[in-house]
Amino acid sequence: AQSVAQPEDQVNVAEGNPLTVKCTYSVSGNPYLFWYVQYPNRGLQFLLKYITGDNLVKGSYGFEAEFNKSQTSFHLKKPSALVSDSALYFCAVRSKGYGGSQGNLIFGKGTKLSVKP
Amino acid sequence: EPEVTQTPSHQVTQMGQEVILRCVPISNHLYFYWYRQILGQKVEFLVSFYNNEISEKSEIFDDQFSVERPDGSNFTLKIRSTKLEDSAMYFCASSDRTVSNQPQHFGDGTRLSIL
Repeated sequence: AQSVAQPEDQVNVAEGNPLTVKCTYSVSGNPYLFWYVQYPNRGLQFLLKYITGDNLVKGSYGFEAEFNKSQTSFHLKKPSALVSDSALYFCAVRSKGYGGSQGNLIFGKGTKLSVKP
Repeated sequence: EPEVTQTPSHQVTQMGQEVILRCVPISNHLYFYWYRQILGQKVEFLVSFYNNEISEKSEIFDDQFSVERPDGSNFTLKIRSTKLEDSAMYFCASSDRTVSNQPQHFGDGTRLSIL
């Protein structure tokens, strides 16, 4: 069965410092990996995805993620955190679709990022 | 940028009552999804819908649940006889088929409270 693990419930970072939000995955075959962000009382906003190609993926708002096949990880990173980055971050893997389905998303439990001034 | 819209934002319903959650997916998208998020827990897949039929469903999506695309724009989730444990945020999502591996775009959700 495919799964995603986010080992940290919360990450605290000072503004201007680099941030990392960790994600590891377990899939059979090639993984399709995603990061989403959720602000309070809002839905999930797509940040970036890894399908194939370069292991370093760049996304929205200055975020990037590094795919590491040997460590089965897809950590989210940003070189310089902003207070406005404070939110809930979800890593997800897309399941294998059957028939006409593209497959659904399997989410990690989420990591709360808190950036202090 | 086009968005997925969901109504209502908050629905309060008595246990045992039927509830319909509504979604308007992005207009050129062909795949539609419902997810739910119980307070403090992870986002869970409920059902996917393509070409006017269910593509996949999870074990959560039992006989109390149904989905429908009644016209060219709306996508609805019906819970026939609500239970206390149905209280959650329900998210609708849609994705494009014309380009492969496109992300799912989510609405802001409907908070369903069962009393």
